[in-house]
Amino acid sequence: GEDVEQSLFLSVREGDSSVINCTYTDSSSTYLYWYKQEPGAGLQLLTYIFSNMDMKQDQRLTVLLNKKDKHLSLRIADTQTGDSAIYFCAEIPSGSARQLTFGSGTQLTVLP
Amino acid sequence: ETGVTQTPRHLVMGMTNKKSLKCEQHLGHNAMYWYKQSAKKPLELMFVYNFKEQTENNSVPSRFSPECPNSSHLFLHLHTLQPEDSALYLCASSQEATSGYEQYFGPGTRLTVT
Repeated sequence: GEDVEQSLFLSVREGDSSVINCTYTDSSSTYLYWYKQEPGAGLQLLTYIFSNMDMKQDQRLTVLLNKKDKHLSLRIADTQTGDSAIYFCAEIPSGSARQLTFGSGTQLTVLP
Repeated sequence: ETGVTQTPRHLVMGMTNKKSLKCEQHLGHNAMYWYKQSAKKPLELMFVYNFKEQTENNSVPSRFSPECPNSSHLFLHLHTLQPEDSALYLCASSQEATSGYEQYFGPGTRLTVT
């Protein structure tokens, strides 16, 4: 199975909060990341969290990390149509200083 | 704009052609990467270069040949590709010894092999 797992699809109404979830397998991962990919574009780094943190907030984005359950989430407050994209969770497993392992991505659709 | 550019953005080539993808980063980073993104599969790391030296090759077929002449430029030379090589090829860069090892991606080259 995959090292990093995500749900494939999420739909929310404009103005609601979105929560995108991710589970990973390497409990020694040092950094975990969220990337956003819009159609026809590359990956845009949204935020990352160090493994000794359990929460990080950046404007409308809140990242929660539960190391015990190896669960990472990205909450987008007041979701807008421009937030529609694919969101990728990624980790740097232990022993691979710069090799990101990505999930398959969650397609977020924001409905008017 | 992430500071990483890739050319061409789209490429159609036959299986007997030879072509090259180019990546340039304007961020002063010293590590560069090639990834392959296929439909419905996670991103696959292909190659890593650190200070112009190749440090990772994830069992990539020899029909893909990377070249890194300096820390700012990265090429992927393609020859005798197969239709299953059709994908989005993404370049990324990062700065070693920064706190987050965060990688910045270019927009990608959409490759179609006919």
